[in-house]
Amino acid sequence: TQLLEQSPQFLSIQEGENLTVYCNSSSVFSSLQWYRQEPGEGPVLLVTVVTGGEVKKLKRLTFQFGDARKDSSLHITAAQTGDTGLYLCAGEGNAGNMLTFGGGTRLMVKP
Amino acid sequence: DVKVTQSSRYLVKRTGEKVFLECVQDMDHENMFWYRQDPGLGLRLIYFSYDVKMKEKGDIPEGYSVSREKKERFSLILESASTNQTSMYLCASSLAGREAFFGQGTRLTVV
Repeated sequence: TQLLEQSPQFLSIQEGENLTVYCNSSSVFSSLQWYRQEPGEGPVLLVTVVTGGEVKKLKRLTFQFGDARKDSSLHITAAQTGDTGLYLCAGEGNAGNMLTFGGGTRLMVKP
Repeated sequence: DVKVTQSSRYLVKRTGEKVFLECVQDMDHENMFWYRQDPGLGLRLIYFSYDVKMKEKGDIPEGYSVSREKKERFSLILESASTNQTSMYLCASSLAGREAFFGQGTRLTVV
């Protein structure tokens, strides 16, 4: 089993603050995906990173894949209340199509 | 739009009952997954299938079985439901190496 650990598990911040969520593993992944899940819904893909060292930006969200393809981070600049949700990272292993999820980071952005 | 449909949003079953959770996708995806989601534990993979009649155990297959007789349908079976199987169950589908699309989830309560 390829384990993905996310930190922090919970984060409560004020609107306008910056934050970073981490996703770490001792295993190498062929790609890593970040999802956001709202209550009562399934997770929805935000981004996929494939190349070691890759950085992708999605408006105020910046995603980075570690050089060794074992870890990733999600940085949110000037958080808004609409960013509130559960953020999940998921890694695709080298041995096939299996997608392994981290434990998630529950973000609460207060007005 | 890709659609992944789970047969029930909410389900209440008695201990010892045989439970079927159905999932259908309409995008001809070869991969289909069943996860359960519990607070603090993230999404844990129960089973996944990469082709018709093909299945692979995930991290927590005990107490569950699956069936994939047709490409679009992936069923999760609880042979004899127990209270510790009370959870949110999420089905997903994907093409190899691509994002996973999730259903809205089935919240199962075993009493």
